[in-house]
Amino acid sequence: KAGVTQTPRYLIKTRGQQVTLSCSPISGHRSVSWYQQTPGQGLQFLFEYFSETQRNKGNFPGRFSGRQFSNSRSEMNVSTLELGDSALYLCASSLQIAEKYNEQFFGPGTRLTVL
Amino acid sequence: AQSVTQLDSQVPVFEEAPVELRCNYSSSVSVYLFWYVQYPNQGLQLLLKYLSGSTLVESINGFEAEFNKSQTSFHLRKPSVHISDTAEYFCAVSEGYGQNFVFGPGTRLSVLP
Repeated sequence: KAGVTQTPRYLIKTRGQQVTLSCSPISGHRSVSWYQQTPGQGLQFLFEYFSETQRNKGNFPGRFSGRQFSNSRSEMNVSTLELGDSALYLCASSLQIAEKYNEQFFGPGTRLTVL
Repeated sequence: AQSVTQLDSQVPVFEEAPVELRCNYSSSVSVYLFWYVQYPNQGLQLLLKYLSGSTLVESINGFEAEFNKSQTSFHLRKPSVHISDTAEYFCAVSEGYGQNFVFGPGTRLSVLP
């Protein structure tokens, strides 16, 4: 079974631009979560999507948004990029069987550099 | 609110020596605890987890961690490390079935020959 894939793997943008990152979960997984990893702040939860609905959200400004499609693929968008948005963005997917532990499987990440 | 502390940002250790990576958490409710490993240029991989039951959990590659509720700790140990264990290790806590993790800052383990 293919793992979680994220595209692109590397991205360079300039301040003020916007960017869209893509995540394809493991086949059959219905939940997709996004995390931001930076040297200063570590790993921080952005949001989680399940069945095309945002179910949980971390403490990030509205410039960070996401969506999930009917095939469970997810995209996250960052508008009006700032230098501080430079980070590794990780996506994780899980089966989401209710009331049971569902392991999250992480993708390799997209490294975004904002100049 | 939950938080996770990993006191050691870097741990250098010689090959075949034992190692302990410390993790402490704070939470007002019952939690699930995890250790993830991240190799260079890769995503996170689950190393081991505590959900319930035995407080000592083990991974297939020789790591173990013990949940200590009174000390709110979940330290990771390995009796003999290998060069291939060089990576960054993250402790994480979740209040709900492995969702919405709160991660610690990470500990970079460097195994020296």
